[in-house]
Amino acid sequence: SQKIEQNSEALNIQEGKTATLTCNYTNYSPAYLQWYRQDPGRGPVFLLLIRENEKEKRKERLKVTFDTTLKQSLFHITASQPADSATYLCARNSGAGSYQLTFGKGTKLSVIP
Amino acid sequence: DVKVTQSSRYLVKRTGEKVFLECVQDMDHENMFWYRQDPGLGLRLIYFSYDVKMKEKGDIPEGYSVSREKKERFSLILESASTNQTSMYLCASSLSAAGGPQYFGPGTRLTVT
Repeated sequence: SQKIEQNSEALNIQEGKTATLTCNYTNYSPAYLQWYRQDPGRGPVFLLLIRENEKEKRKERLKVTFDTTLKQSLFHITASQPADSATYLCARNSGAGSYQLTFGKGTKLSVIP
Repeated sequence: DVKVTQSSRYLVKRTGEKVFLECVQDMDHENMFWYRQDPGLGLRLIYFSYDVKMKEKGDIPEGYSVSREKKERFSLILESASTNQTSMYLCASSLSAAGGPQYFGPGTRLTVT
């Protein structure tokens, strides 16, 4: 089965710094990777999608990279703010052409004022 | 904006009861999904549906069934609730194209006593 791992359960960072979250996958490279934000007691919210043939994607203070050699995606939040504190999930397609996603367990980010 | 609604935010049921969780989306999405989320286990797919009256089992379908009579509505049924089904249940929808983002509802926190 396709696995996806977020190695850090939690990450604490000082306000204003860049937060970097890591997502690693196994087996074949997914066609795309997605990142979601989840606040306590709420459903995940879609943030960004990056395709296999894209090295980098940006949206405001967010940046996602996709390295097929390392089998890894990095998610960056620049100039982090306390409001960025949440759990961030990465997800990959579960199989070629699949509608299904396999989610990582998430990294809980805390931005300290 | 895509809106996915779930019938209840909190639900308390007794062991052995039949439980219905309803999900409605307003964006004409073909695909709908039911997940459960538990601490340390992440999001796990129970069932999904790619069209009206069509359904496929996810990773943990045992003890659950689903119904999709209309495109916008996807119901999760616990035939005989058990305490190990106490969890957060999340519904999501997406367009038919593989790889598209999923849009989640707010979740239903179900407690089975």
